[in-house]
Amino acid sequence: AQSVTQLGSHVSVSEGALVLLRCNYSSSVPPYLFWYVQYPNQGLQLLLKYTSAATLVKGINGFEAEFKKSETSFHLTKPSAHMSDAAEYFCAVCGGSTLGRLYFGRGTQLTVWP
Amino acid sequence: DTEVTQTPKHLVMGMTNKKSLKCEQHMGHRAMYWYKQKAKKPPELMFVYSYEKLSINESVPSRFSPECPNSSLLNLHLHALQPEDSALYLCASSQTGDQPQPQHFGDGTRLSIL
Repeated sequence: AQSVTQLGSHVSVSEGALVLLRCNYSSSVPPYLFWYVQYPNQGLQLLLKYTSAATLVKGINGFEAEFKKSETSFHLTKPSAHMSDAAEYFCAVCGGSTLGRLYFGRGTQLTVWP
Repeated sequence: DTEVTQTPKHLVMGMTNKKSLKCEQHMGHRAMYWYKQKAKKPPELMFVYSYEKLSINESVPSRFSPECPNSSLLNLHLHALQPEDSALYLCASSQTGDQPQPQHFGDGTRLSIL
């Protein structure tokens, strides 16, 4: 069975501060993990993906995530938040018996204060 | 710019109407997906087409009828919808539906049922 848990439905940071969005996964097979971002009135945009290569994955817009098997985590970080980062972020896992299917976390709303 | 195009962007319909949502991709992907997304929630998978064949139907009511005319097009036919069907409907595609791969999303059709 595949699932992800996103800790914290809302995260607020000041502009220029570190962004940390948490994601823990559960998978009976080596997981493929993704972070997506959704801006208001738009679809989901792929930020980055982990596919069992390097454990530190760099994505678009300055975001990165580190795969930690021992902690079953795939947290998303950005050193310095920008106002334009305000959006909904979804962690997702793929794999198992239905290999192409994505299982999404509940999402984390990121607010960036000036 | 998204590589998955959905039309229309907005749709308002009565409960007795028949309408269709359309999705198109030109990335050569062989898997296409329909999702339903309520406000502040993750996308919920409805249907998956792999190589133009329906491979997953998530027990969606028959008032939603998917169609995949060719590998680039995906339609969702709507008939006798209920107010609770009001949501953002997202289309996505991936290279194939049988391996863990990122999905590419369109911007969705926002559907309102009167």
